[in-house]
This record gives sequence, structure tokens and C-alpha cells, in this order.
Amino acid sequence: GNSVTQMEGPVTLSEEAFLTINCTYTATGYPSLFWYVQYPGEGLQLLLKATKADDKGSNKGFEATYRKETTSFHLEKGSVQVSDSAVYFCALLYSSASKIIFGSGTRLSIRP
Amino acid sequence: KAGVTQTPRYLIKTRGQQVTLSCSPISGHRSVSWYQQTPGQGLQFLFEYFSETQRNKGNFPGRFSGRQFSNSRSEMNVSTLELGDSALYLCASSAGTSGSSEQFFGPGTRLTVL
Repeated sequence: GNSVTQMEGPVTLSEEAFLTINCTYTATGYPSLFWYVQYPGEGLQLLLKATKADDKGSNKGFEATYRKETTSFHLEKGSVQVSDSAVYFCALLYSSASKIIFGSGTRLSIRP
Repeated sequence: KAGVTQTPRYLIKTRGQQVTLSCSPISGHRSVSWYQQTPGQGLQFLFEYFSETQRNKGNFPGRFSGRQFSNSRSEMNVSTLELGDSALYLCASSAGTSGSSEQFFGPGTRLTVL
């Protein structure tokens, strides 16, 4: 079946460090891929998305590239800030369906 | 444009009771999806409604049900509550007629079952 696997957390980094959160997926066909972020006590916010192979999604300094050959969509940021502390979810969505399949989430904590 | 709103934000119930949660989508959005978030199971899809019809359904027991009104507002109901139903319930709305339209999430309703 379709699934999303992302790196276990928590991840703790110092401010201005480089961030990578790994995400791989199992799916048939060509799903759209997303990264969502959840700040404490809030719902999910779409961080970025990519709808086809080799697309790069970017927002607020975060980037992720849709790699069909490695079925991956790793999240990166060059210099993290304390305000980036949150839980990050990788997810996929098929055009023929309306349900999002989420990874288990990765908690990120940034030390000042 | 106002975002997705969910009421109530917090709810405490006891085992065996039933509960109804409400979701108001973004104006103009016709699709509403519901998700359950728990520490153990993560985020799981419950169901999706579009134009008052259930279009997709996850793997939850029949105690979980929903409906959508003509103004696109949606409610979900959980009957005979169990301790394991304690969770954050998230609602998401989307605009388009295709299932792949971007979904916008509300803040969630945190349900605690005692």
C-alpha cells in the first residue's frame, strides 16, 4: 500500500545549523508530495509542496525536491531559527483520491 | 478570508457518551476532510465530504460518522466513546472538485475521554 516514512525524532539543533529531515514514500503512480508543519497547540500548516518529479517546493527558507528515482522528498533548510521548532510531517496525496497519507512526524527543537 | 474554524476547541467526555464536533470550511470550499491525530497512530484519515456526500472513507469503526450541510459546514459524531478515542481531531477544507486540491487545516478539537 501507499505509505510515507520519515526520520525518527526528536531532532535537536543549534540555531543557524543546517537541517535535513529525511522522507521516503511508497506509492504507485505519481502522487503529490507535501511538507506540513505543526506548531505547539495549533493545527497543520502547509509548508511546501511538489506535484511532479524533479519539482522543488520552497517556502520560508525550507526546500524539498521530488525525487522519483529514490522515492524521496527530503526537507532542508540552510540555517534554522528557534522559531522553526515544531513538528514536521511529510505527506502524499493522489489526484484520484482526497485523503492525505502522513508520515509519523519529526519533532524539531532549535537551541538558541 | 477567514480560515477553517472548528468548535469546540476542547472537550471532555466520559466513556459511553457520544460527541459531535463541528467544522466550518473556508468560504467557497466544498470539500471537508476529517483526520484523527494521536501520539500512537499519528495522523489518520477519517472521511471526506463533498457537496453533502461522503466521497472517501478511512478505516474507522462505524461509531465514527459524519455529515455535511448545504452550506458546506460539516459535523462528525462519535458514539459510545472509548478511552482510545482521545485525540486531536483535525478538519481540512479544499476548494476544487478534484481530490488533489490543496487542503487547509483548522486548529483542531482536542477530545479527552475519561
